Formats: sequence, structure tokens, C-alpha cells
Amino acid sequence: SQTIHQWPATLVQPVGSPLSLECTVEGTSNPNLYWYRQAAGRGLQLLFYSVGIGQISSEVPQNLSASRPQDRQFILSSKKLLLSDSGFYLCASIKTGEDLNTEAFFGQGTRLTVV
Amino acid sequence: AQTVTQSQPEMSVQEAETVTLSCTYDTSENNYYLFWYKQPPSRQMILVIRQEAYKQQNATENRFSVNFQKAAKSFSLKISDSQLGDTAMYFCAFCYGGSNYKLTFGKGTLLTVNP
Repeated sequence: SQTIHQWPATLVQPVGSPLSLECTVEGTSNPNLYWYRQAAGRGLQLLFYSVGIGQISSEVPQNLSASRPQDRQFILSSKKLLLSDSGFYLCASIKTGEDLNTEAFFGQGTRLTVV
Repeated sequence: AQTVTQSQPEMSVQEAETVTLSCTYDTSENNYYLFWYKQPPSRQMILVIRQEAYKQQNATENRFSVNFQKAAKSFSLKISDSQLGDTAMYFCAFCYGGSNYKLTFGKGTLLTVNP
């Protein structure tokens, strides 16, 4: 099975500062990768997903960007954080096509507070 | 575009009783996967059960089972013999198995199991 490493676990950043959250995947190759944001007590909002190196699809126009420089690395960035960027960020990986084992694996999440 | 709807923001059940969480989805695709994920207060995402759309038989995992109605685009989760540890947020999710690998979640149902 896959293991998703996501860091840092918690982050407090001032408004206007840059952001870089990293997610790496072990145990598979060429996965589909996702970044989600979750507000407290709410659902998972899909921010970006990627089906391969350099391929990024954006779901919500906003202050964030994503990159996939390597097959198993997915990075979420911002040049200048806003208060509204606060939330819980989850990285996920899924490899479809392997029917018996298709499932999404998640990182532990990053709790971002912009102050 | 694919959408996932969970119409019950909150539900409660007595310990040892049975509860059903509803989920409907909208897609024009024929090859896809459906999931139920559990998110306890730790916020770790835990796979509860999965269903491949081409399989007519409803998936079961111990106390958890689904009622998959493909024509009605319905995918409900039944939890039997509810336990206190089942208290969590439950998310229904959809993933297309073709070229569009977008993994979409519903807004979640907060389930509370009462002693």
C-alpha cells in the first residue's frame, strides 16, 4: 500500500508571507495526486490535482498554486498568504485501474493558521 | 461535472443500533469508483468501504455495508451494531476510472453514537 508523507503538521504564518507545503508518496509510481482544504467541521474542497509530472489542474481560482516536479512529489505554494488561506490541508494519492486495491491514501494533514 | 451530495449534515444513533447515511452522485460516466471515508477527531482519513461501479454486488466490510443503486446514482452506507468508536465525520467520495481522475467528496455527515 501507499504511504503519504506530508509536512509540516502545523504552521503559523503571518499575512503576506510565502507558503510551501510538501507531499511525497511511497509505495507506488505514477499516482494521481490531490490537494484538499478543509475548514473546521466542513467538507473537503478540492484545490488541485495532478495526473503526472508537470500536469496540474486547478479547481478553485485563488491565492494558491501547485507543482509536481517529480512523480511522487506534490507541492502547494503561495507567494503571499491571506487570512482566508487558514485551514486544514490534506494531500491524497490514488491509483485507479488496479481494481482490487483502488483507494485514496491521505497524508496526516497540515493545520495552517494565518495571523 | 461530477458532484456528490450528502443530504444529512448530522445524524445520531444509539449504541448497538443501525444507522444509514445517504449519498447521491451525478455523473455521465460508466466506469467509476465510490468510497466511504471516516474522519475521526484526529482528522486522519480512514477508508471504510469501496465499490466499483461495474460490480452489481453491494460491498460489505464487517459491520459496514452499502446499498449501491447505479441507475438511481445512490450509494448509502449502513452501519450495523453501532459502536462509540464509530463517532466521526463520514464522507462519500467519487472517482472516475478514466482519463479524468478527479476525486470528489461530499460535504460529509457528522455521526454521533450515543451510549
